Amino acid sequence: SQTIHQWPATLVQPVGSPLSLECTVEGTSNPNLYWYRQAAGRGLQLLFYSVGIGQISSEVPQNLSASRPQDRQFILSSKKLLLSDSGFYLCAAGTLTYEQYFGPGTRLTVT
Amino acid sequence: AQTVTQSQPEMSVQEAETVTLSCTYDTSESDYYLFWYKQPPSRQMILVIRQEAYKQQNATENRFSVNFQKAAKSFSLKISDSQLGDAAMYFCAYRSRRAGSYQLTFGKGTKLSVIP
Repeated sequence: SQTIHQWPATLVQPVGSPLSLECTVEGTSNPNLYWYRQAAGRGLQLLFYSVGIGQISSEVPQNLSASRPQDRQFILSSKKLLLSDSGFYLCAAGTLTYEQYFGPGTRLTVT
Repeated sequence: AQTVTQSQPEMSVQEAETVTLSCTYDTSESDYYLFWYKQPPSRQMILVIRQEAYKQQNATENRFSVNFQKAAKSFSLKISDSQLGDAAMYFCAYRSRRAGSYQLTFGKGTKLSVIP
């Protein structure tokens, strides 16, 4: 079975600072990878997905970007954080049987 | 575009009792998957159960079962013998099987409380 790792678990950053969140996957090859954001008490919003190395699709225009430098590594970045970027960020890996498995998440607070 | 609706923002159940969470969805497709995810206070999303639209038989996983009504576009989750550890947010999700479709569409969730 696959395992999804995310770090850091918690992050507090000032407005205007850069961001890098990392996600790595174990136990599977060539997964589809996803970044979601969840505001407090809300549902999940898909930000980016990737079907292969270097292939990124953006679902929501915003201050964030994603990259996939290796098959099982997915990075979420920003050059300058906004207050509205605060939230809970979840990485997920998709399987051939269509379900997605999620990592433990990163709680980001922008101050 | 597909939409998923969970009409019960909050529900509660007595420990050891049974509770049913509702989910409806809107789609013009005939081939898809439906899922229930659990999000405990730790906030990690955990897959509870999966249903393929082409299967008439309702999926079951231990104390969790679904009532899938394809014509009515309804997909409810039944939790039997509720336990304190079942307290969580529950999200219903839809996934198309159409080629090139990769994302899950989530409902807004139902917060389940379990009363000892």
